[in-house]
Amino acid sequence: AQSVAQPEDQVNVAEGNPLTVKCTYSVSGNPYLFWYVQYPNRGLQFLLKYITGDNLVKGSYGFEAEFNKSQTSFHLKKPSALVSDSALYFCAVRDDTGSARQLTFGSGTQLTVLP
Amino acid sequence: GAGVSQSPSNKVTEKGKDVELRCDPISGHTALYWYRQSLGQGLEFLIYFQGNSAPDKSGLPSDRFSAERTGGSVSTLTIQRTQQEDSAVYLCASSLGGTGSYEQYFGPGTRLTVT
Repeated sequence: AQSVAQPEDQVNVAEGNPLTVKCTYSVSGNPYLFWYVQYPNRGLQFLLKYITGDNLVKGSYGFEAEFNKSQTSFHLKKPSALVSDSALYFCAVRDDTGSARQLTFGSGTQLTVLP
Repeated sequence: GAGVSQSPSNKVTEKGKDVELRCDPISGHTALYWYRQSLGQGLEFLIYFQGNSAPDKSGLPSDRFSAERTGGSVSTLTIQRTQQEDSAVYLCASSLGGTGSYEQYFGPGTRLTVT
């Protein structure tokens, strides 16, 4: 079975400060990990993914995420937040050993960047 | 290029009526997924199509839900005898292949309201 936890429903950060959105996962095998962002009344937009290799993954809009196997985490980060980063962020996982092809999503974290 | 498109964008229906939701995936994408997003919740997997293989229907919540994909492209999700608990945003996604390392690209969704 595969699962994802996003422990924070809401994250607030001041513009210009670094931001972190937390994600932990559980899989039987090796994880494929993804971050998506959802703006109001829009579908999900792909930000970045970890499949294998370098633990630090860089994605769209200056976001990056660090894969930590020992802590089973994949936190999303950005060095300097913008007001326009305010949105709903979803972490998702798929187990590379499972037969399921769908992603399992976390419950989402609402990020608010304050001007 | 064109992204995933869905129609209608909004649908209001009376309890007990049938509804059809349409998804046009990105050209060349062989995998297609349907998810449901209820208010304040994460994404719930419904069904997955890969090429000409039998679909994975393991996420369909009841036998009132069905989906088909014609010609390996357009997909229709049908909900029969709609109930109020079916009210949600229905999201379609497509990806290059069925292996889990490919990111999924989402459409804007269909917001279904059952009155």
